Amino acid sequence: NAGVMQNPRHLVRRRGQEARLRCSPMKGHSHVYWYRQLPEEGLKFMVYLQKENIIDESGMPKERFSAEFPKEGPSILRIQQVVRGDSAAYFCASSPPVDGQNTEAFFGQGTRLTVV
Amino acid sequence: AQSVAQPEDQVNVAEGNPLTVKCTYSVSGNPYLFWYVQYPNRGLQFLLKYITGDNLVKGSYGFEAEFNKSQTSFHLKKPSALVSDSALYFCAVRAYTGRRALTFGSGTRLQVQP
Repeated sequence: NAGVMQNPRHLVRRRGQEARLRCSPMKGHSHVYWYRQLPEEGLKFMVYLQKENIIDESGMPKERFSAEFPKEGPSILRIQQVVRGDSAAYFCASSPPVDGQNTEAFFGQGTRLTVV
Repeated sequence: AQSVAQPEDQVNVAEGNPLTVKCTYSVSGNPYLFWYVQYPNRGLQFLLKYITGDNLVKGSYGFEAEFNKSQTSFHLKKPSALVSDSALYFCAVRAYTGRRALTFGSGTRLQVQP
């Protein structure tokens, strides 16, 4: 059972370009979470999605950032018109649909975005 | 609102000595508590969790954590540290009900000296 897969692992964008980060959850997981980690800091929650639904986007910046988790295919975190301050590691996590004892989230390796 | 405090940015310990990484939390209602470890340029690896039941939870690589409801703490411990335990450790919390997303602490860097 493959773990959470994120790609690309490293992404370099010039200011003003768009960044698209992909996340394929673990098999059988229908809940996806995106977090951002700035250098030497903890993980900050951005958005929580289920298939075709955004459940909680309270951590998403109001502009330029969007996320989706379509019925087919990976979850996408999209950052438009990137700025230097968007440089960070972006982590995706997934968890199974039924809450309870197996409630831990499993993380991908992250995408390290560098804006030049 | 829920929050996690990891009061120590770094913990230094000699190999073979016991280690403790501290965590306190704030959440409405009963908590789910987690510890994750992060190695350089890697994602987070799950170590252990507290859901319910015994206050002492055993996890991967010989780590354990003790849930203390009155002190709202969930400190990570290991009886004998290894150099390979050197990494960044994150404590996380969520409530039983409501938002499923985890709230993380700022992390504690553990340095184990040979």
